[in-house]
This record gives sequence, C-alpha cells and structure tokens, in this order.
Amino acid sequence: DQQVKQNSPSLSVQEGRISILNCDYTNSMFDYFLWYKKYPAEGPTFLISISSIKDKNEDGRFTVFLNKSAKHLSLHIVPSQPGDSAVYFCAAGYGGATNKLIFGTGTLLAVQP
Amino acid sequence: KAGVTQTPRYLIKTRGQQVTLSCSPISGHRSVSWYQQTPGQGLQFLFEYFSETQRNKGNFPGRFSGRQFSNSRSEMNVSTLELGDSALYLCASSLYLGTSGSGSYNEQFFGPGTRLTVL
Repeated sequence: DQQVKQNSPSLSVQEGRISILNCDYTNSMFDYFLWYKKYPAEGPTFLISISSIKDKNEDGRFTVFLNKSAKHLSLHIVPSQPGDSAVYFCAAGYGGATNKLIFGTGTLLAVQP
Repeated sequence: KAGVTQTPRYLIKTRGQQVTLSCSPISGHRSVSWYQQTPGQGLQFLFEYFSETQRNKGNFPGRFSGRQFSNSRSEMNVSTLELGDSALYLCASSLYLGTSGSGSYNEQFFGPGTRLTVL
C-alpha cells in the first residue's frame, strides 16, 4: 500500500520557467512533509519541509504547498535552473519518537537550457 | 564537518550469501536509519536506531537485521541473499530521535549509499 505517491515519473521544464512537482498521500496522521533532491551516485539531500499545520513554506526559489483536505502537496521551483535537474522525492513523517519517513517513488526533473 | 559515510560503496554477492553494510553517522549524531531503494519503489524504511537500541522496524523479513554501536556507527546485515535484495541501501543520521520539544522537524542527512548487486 503506497501511502505517498508521486504520479509523474518525469517532468521536463525550460530554464527560467516554473517547475511544479506533485505528491499525494493517503494517511491523515502524517505530521510533516519533506522534499528531498537526489543526484545519481549521491544520497538524497533535504530541500524543504512543511508541518501539517501549515499550508505554505518558502525557502528561496523553493516553495512547498500543502492542501490537507485534498491530501496533496506540491513543490514549486521558480525560476528553474539546469542544476535543478535531479530526482525529487516527497516524504512524510509521523512525528513523535521516530524519524521514520515514508517516501514517494520520485519524479525525475529535467531543466532544459 | 564530515558527512555520513557508508562502506563499501559497491558490493556484488551471489544468492544465499550474507552481507554486512556499514554506516558512520555525522559526528555527534545519535540516530541512524536505514532505507532500501529499488527502481519503482522509492525509498523504503528498514529500521532505525538510537542509543544502540532499535526503535522502529519496517516491513522487511527477518533476514534483514542491524545494530548500532556505542560510537553511533551502525551496521546492517542481510542473510541468505535473494536476487530481489539487489538495491541501493541508504543510511541517514540525525541528532536525535523524533521531533524536537518545540515540534520542529528533525533533519536527517543521508549517506551516498551502498549499491548491492545479488547474482
């Protein structure tokens, strides 16, 4: 049972435009959500997080939006840069005394120069 | 500050063998988690350790085990390897377990992974 889903395996965007990556979840008990970025042969790198009590969090070019009623979150990258090309994973955590994360299957973002 | 290190980076084994993977967390970090990444499955949680104790375990068979040492370094072991165990095994370290007292998210830092191939 996939509790966190990323339905788009890949996304191609022109440099300078907006990239929107989407993620859906099924478990309303998740306490926070995160986005990780992964390059080949490297481990995932934390990008941005959002608490379940917020609906938006912004960090430079990255903004995460959370729609709890729809159980949907999205990552906006504006403007997109070629160096943003990577696999993006969304993940959800339960909070409490655990660091366990539930990951989606990832979206490969390609930013074309 | 050195990041999370994992050894070996690449490993080739045959079915039925066993394997031990090692993870050294960032200095001062006491929590280590392990994940398996396979194509199309994303990262799946294996287990997490804090202060030498396993605190949580994912839905994997008993062939997968782990431990944490007093210096916070962790090892995971897979016995009786199967072809389906071929994957990238990632460990992540963090300062403590769970959210902070203020409810803030506890950031995890991932290592580069060990690529295990089972033939």
